[in-house]
Amino acid sequence: DAGITQSPRHKVTETGTPVTLRCHQTENHRYMYWYRQDPGHGLRLIHYSYGVKDTDKGEVSDGYSVSRSKTEDFLLTLESATSSQTSVYFCAISDAWSGGSYNSPLHFGNGTRLTVT
Amino acid sequence: QQQVKQSPQSLIVQKGGISIINCAYENTAFDYFPWYQQFPGKGPALLIAIRPDVSEKKEGRFTISFNKSAKQFSLHIMDSQPGDSATYFCAASNPYDKIIFGKGTRLHILP
Repeated sequence: DAGITQSPRHKVTETGTPVTLRCHQTENHRYMYWYRQDPGHGLRLIHYSYGVKDTDKGEVSDGYSVSRSKTEDFLLTLESATSSQTSVYFCAISDAWSGGSYNSPLHFGNGTRLTVT
Repeated sequence: QQQVKQSPQSLIVQKGGISIINCAYENTAFDYFPWYQQFPGKGPALLIAIRPDVSEKKEGRFTISFNKSAKQFSLHIMDSQPGDSATYFCAASNPYDKIIFGKGTRLHILP
C-alpha cells in the first residue's frame, strides 16, 4: 500500500467550528488531492496541490481551504464547518497531474469520517 | 463531455456468478480507464486499468472490456465471491484534465 496516512480517522464537530484534516505521504509524490465521498455523488475533487505552496481548486472547493508547506503534508481546512460538509474525506497522491495515468495511478488514504452536528 | 456514467448503482449476484458493471464516457481524449475497488472503512484501491488501444484486459477473475467506438467500458468479475463485495468505481483521464470518476456501484455477492 502507498504510504498515505490521514488523521484523524473520525471526527465529530459542531456547526461553525474550524476543522483541519491532515494527510501525510511517504512516497514523495508531487501531486496530492483531497476528495469527498457522498452517497449518490461518488468521489468529488475539493482541492489539489502540484507542489509545495502550489494549490488549486477542484469542483467542490467552496467552504474549504488547503495548505501544503512540505512535500509530504497536505492539510484541508473547513473554516466554519456546516452540516453539508458531513462526509468522508479522502486524500490521494499521484505523480500524474491528471490525478491518474497508466504509469502513475492515483493512490488513496483510508479516509476521515467527519460529522458536523 | 467530462462525465463518466456508471451503472448500475447497486448489484446483487449469487456466489459463482458473473458481475458486470458498465461505464460510458463522451470525451474522446480520455486515454486511461482504471477501475477502483473500495471496501467499507477503506480508501479506493486500483483494481485494474486499460488503455484505449486494447479491447480487453484480464487479471485473474477481473476483466475490463473496452469498446472505443461505443465509448463504453465494463468490468466483469468471473466466479464472483463474497469477498468481492465492495463498491466499484470506474474512472477516465487524459493528460490535460483531472481524472473523472463514475458515481460507483455497490456490489453484494450472496454466499
